[in-house]
Amino acid sequence: NAGVTQTPKFRVLKTGQSMTLLCAQDMNHEYMYWYRQDPGMGLRLIHYSVGEGTTAKGEVPDGYNVSRLKKQNFLLGLESAAPSQTSVYFCASSYSSLNEQFFGPGTRLTVL
Amino acid sequence: GENVEQHPSTLSVQEGDSAVIKCTYSDSASNYFPWYKQELGKRPQLIIDIRSNVGEKKDQRIAVTLNKTAKHFSLHITETQPEDSAVYFCAASGLGGSARQLTFGSGTQLTVLP
Repeated sequence: NAGVTQTPKFRVLKTGQSMTLLCAQDMNHEYMYWYRQDPGMGLRLIHYSVGEGTTAKGEVPDGYNVSRLKKQNFLLGLESAAPSQTSVYFCASSYSSLNEQFFGPGTRLTVL
Repeated sequence: GENVEQHPSTLSVQEGDSAVIKCTYSDSASNYFPWYKQELGKRPQLIIDIRSNVGEKKDQRIAVTLNKTAKHFSLHITETQPEDSAVYFCAASGLGGSARQLTFGSGTQLTVLP
């Protein structure tokens, strides 16, 4: 039982490059989330999903896209990376919106 | 949408003393208030949560209190130990978009001095 996993763990991009972050969970959770964490700003919600095939915008969605083709996976895409997207990205999943969120180990992304 | 403010941003206490972290929220319809602990370089992990139909909840050395009228909730850690040193985040479940989402506070760096 791995819980929530994220790949990759680290990545360095040049401005304008694209990449996809993969989140996987084995707890059969309906809800999945992508957050970014910046110093002094806590965790900010980028996008979330309430079930397979659904996605919705969070607090800071600009510059990101997501897909939830399978219940266990939630992908976060950056089409044209910018230095402002340098951050630590956390994926999380939960049974419902009012239950504990289980976080992945995080992906540290640097955009040069 | 929901707005959560957390204070203080840093807190230092002597081992064995108590620590209190306070949060206020703006959405009176919020009904779920979790607290997460994040050790350096690690993922956030839930330590305690409270729902709006309860005023206080305790789990060993940690407790959370909720004042719905004033829209604030607090984390209390008693008999602090060095392993309590971490960043603590409060959150509130505001209604935004198609479902409730958690809005997190900006975090409190707790340092327990031996």
